[in-house]
Amino acid sequence: GQNIDQPTEMTATEGAIVQINCTYQTSGFNGLFWYQQHAGEAPTFLSYNVLDGLEEKGRFSSFLSRSKGYSYLLLKELQMKDSASYLCAVRGGNTDKLIFGTGTRLQVFP
Amino acid sequence: DADVTQTPRNRITKTGKRIMLECSQTKGHDRMYWYRQDPGLGLRLIYYSFDVKDINKGEISDGYSVSRQAQAKFSLSLESAIPNQTALYFCATSDFLGGPTQYFGPGTRLLVL
Repeated sequence: GQNIDQPTEMTATEGAIVQINCTYQTSGFNGLFWYQQHAGEAPTFLSYNVLDGLEEKGRFSSFLSRSKGYSYLLLKELQMKDSASYLCAVRGGNTDKLIFGTGTRLQVFP
Repeated sequence: DADVTQTPRNRITKTGKRIMLECSQTKGHDRMYWYRQDPGLGLRLIYYSFDVKDINKGEISDGYSVSRQAQAKFSLSLESAIPNQTALYFCATSDFLGGPTQYFGPGTRLLVL
């Protein structure tokens, strides 16, 4: 079966670092995406990992371990505008179809 | 101008009515998708199309149909709306040559009474 797990909610303080984990079990794997979604808005692309290791993009980094079926999104120097849901999605097999987790709602407090 | 647009942005309809949601894109992408999003359930794929002559069912296609009128347009129809189709609907696009990243429209909030 297909299963993607991520925590439902997290809280953090402005200026801090937060790590959002995602574990997956899918039939086939061809990459993992992270999207950010503010309430009532469209998901926006953050990162795509297809090989093991860390991809850094400004304040955001994403890590993948294919052997462990595990990824995390690391957000540094948190800002209030980072309060949003973060969606983990797996591209299964040889297709562009994505399987989404239910998302992690992050609240950043002053 | 937005690359992926959806109309209407909000819609209230009654049980049994037929309704169409429209998606247009100026990104020149060949692949288009329809998702619905429900609280606690995440995004679920309804239908997808890899080019004008290609239509495929996603994981929750029952009660829905689609039409790919042109490369830039992909419409989702609810033949006879029911209350559990109340949700936020998103259209997305991707490009075979440009990579697998999907780009989402702003969403249509649908309420079925």
